[in-house]
Amino acid sequence: EDKVVQSPLSLVVHEGDTVTLNCSYEVTNFRSLLWYKQEKKAPTFLFMLTSSGIEKKSGRLSSILDKKELFSILNITATQTGDSAIYLCAVPKNSGGSNYKLTFGKGTLLTVNP
Amino acid sequence: NAGVTQTPKFRVLKTGQSMTLLCAQDMNHEYMYWYRQDPGMGLRLIHYSVGEGTTAKGEVPDGYNVSRLKKQNFLLGLESAAPSQTSVYFCASSYAGTGLSGANVLTFGAGSRLTVL
Repeated sequence: EDKVVQSPLSLVVHEGDTVTLNCSYEVTNFRSLLWYKQEKKAPTFLFMLTSSGIEKKSGRLSSILDKKELFSILNITATQTGDSAIYLCAVPKNSGGSNYKLTFGKGTLLTVNP
Repeated sequence: NAGVTQTPKFRVLKTGQSMTLLCAQDMNHEYMYWYRQDPGMGLRLIHYSVGEGTTAKGEVPDGYNVSRLKKQNFLLGLESAAPSQTSVYFCASSYAGTGLSGANVLTFGAGSRLTVL
């Protein structure tokens, strides 16, 4: 059975801190790993990672994948209160040749205090 | 820029009642999904559809039915609601295919909070 495990489950930091969120996975026929951000309501797409060692970056957020050790990290530098959200990691479930069903981790609740 | 619209946003039901959640997308996406989100459980796939007239079961399909009569709409039905179905329900849609324009980049609706008493 496919597994996606995120850690920590919750994290409280002060503005300006740097945080690292972790996602480990066990998936047959791995193809990609995705990060989503969920603020008050709908999750929104952040990154898709397919290759080891290649950093994806968007502003203060960056992410990297290690396919040998089966994990990904999401870094947020100089955190702001607007970064407070649940960060979700997901991996496509490969069954019958399809890859469109995502298995989500439980998420990391990040709280950034002023 | 409506994206994915879910109705209703909130609903309270009594055990045994039935209801339908409606999801509409205006992006011409082929794939549509219904997820539920519970504290400590993450997002779990209930049912999904890869095209008009087709539906399939996800991880937690029991107690739910779906229909996709039109490409832009995906309905989630509860025939006899149970307290265990108290949850926040998210509809999502995506293009088919792979990569950044593909099936794993989901556009989510704002969610529907359902409480079953």
